[in-house]
Amino acid sequence: QQPVQSPQAVILREGEDAVINCSSSKALYSVHWYRQKHGEAPVFLMILLKGGEQKGHEKISASFNEKKQQSSLYLTASQLSYSGTYFCGTGPGGGGADGLTFGKGTHLIIQP
Amino acid sequence: GAGVSQSPSNKVTEKGKDVELRCDPISGHTALYWYRQSLGQGLEFLIYFQGNSAPDKSGLPSDRFSAERTGGSVSTLTIQRTQQEDSAVYLCASSLEAGVYGYTFGSGTRLTVV
Repeated sequence: QQPVQSPQAVILREGEDAVINCSSSKALYSVHWYRQKHGEAPVFLMILLKGGEQKGHEKISASFNEKKQQSSLYLTASQLSYSGTYFCGTGPGGGGADGLTFGKGTHLIIQP
Repeated sequence: GAGVSQSPSNKVTEKGKDVELRCDPISGHTALYWYRQSLGQGLEFLIYFQGNSAPDKSGLPSDRFSAERTGGSVSTLTIQRTQQEDSAVYLCASSLEAGVYGYTFGSGTRLTVV
């Protein structure tokens, strides 16, 4: 079952904050977040694991509510470079044998 | 290598022909994944390799699709008797350890079946 992302699209001014949500109907082991710019490959942002462990390499934050089967990505003081499509990928098997099931994406446009 | 390398970057083929897509993952990454992305859509999981073995091939869309990985490194995705609905960007990704670390994606192969 594909996770549902919201909003589908959002337009912000540089410096504003954004929250992107990802909701699944299945129990989650892990949630991945990726950003994809037009014509480029998705770039890893963060992985959240059941039990609270987080791994990421950018100045972003995220939450993972295992009970509600939801995750949210928080982008604060957005920069022009944050523009792109954000995908969450959910993994009942930890993204291993089952791979990840990705949402349809959230289009984020940051304007000067 | 420094990143995940995929070749060719673009492939136009006639309906009914076979195509082979190649992925060279980051050295030392044991997990390798293939995904498909159709225009304006999300990513569809195809297959996962841990080392040279693929525990589950049920994500492949049809029996025209096959994949292998050799030497724990390079992987090829083969599509036989291509159909127009196979047109998409095929993305390969690798990970240091499945389920624990994020993916590094390659730039993809854009396949167009005419």
